[in-house]
Amino acid sequence: GEDVEQSLFLSVREGDSSVINCTYTDSSSTYLYWYKQEPGAGLQLLTYIFSNMDMKQDQRLTVLLNKKDKHLSLRIADTQTGDSAIYFCAESTLFTSGTYKYIFGTGTRLKVLA
Amino acid sequence: DVKVTQSSRYLVKRTGEKVFLECVQDMDHENMFWYRQDPGLGLRLIYFSYDVKMKEKGDIPEGYSVSREKKERFSLILESASTNQTSMYLCASSSRDLYPYEQYFGPGTRLTVT
Repeated sequence: GEDVEQSLFLSVREGDSSVINCTYTDSSSTYLYWYKQEPGAGLQLLTYIFSNMDMKQDQRLTVLLNKKDKHLSLRIADTQTGDSAIYFCAESTLFTSGTYKYIFGTGTRLKVLA
Repeated sequence: DVKVTQSSRYLVKRTGEKVFLECVQDMDHENMFWYRQDPGLGLRLIYFSYDVKMKEKGDIPEGYSVSREKKERFSLILESASTNQTSMYLCASSSRDLYPYEQYFGPGTRLTVT
């Protein structure tokens, strides 16, 4: 069945790079996303990658996609205390009604130590 | 800016009560979603709607129903609240046509059933 897996916790020192990993199961996914959830808030889209791409860079963020292994990663360079949050990986697949359905991972709680 | 608002941030209800959670979006989005978020389980889809009066069951619809009478409004109903429905409830909306089909989330309603 459809499943998106992430490790639950990651702790890094301020200024280091963070790498958050995700594995998914649906090879027909068109888009893959990274969402960020700050304390007490809903999720916000951080970045996304189209399934025919291997890599996408956006300022401090680098997304790598390995379709063969169904592995997605998010690298945050020069991690800051403001990056402390929960990060969700998500894949979109087309539902029977023609709507895109989203499968979210369990979320990785990133803690940045000063 | 897209805005998704939810009727309450915190709600405390008794077992057996009927509970209404309301969500409103101001971007004329066709799709609206209800999720529940539990630690270690990530986001799980309860129901979604792709048009007025149209709905589809998600992964965990049991004990819930929904109503979408107007395009901007999507309500989640707990017919008879139970303690295992204590959770954070997140509403989201998305456009059917606008790439990359990202979801916009409300701030969430933390429901406690005692």
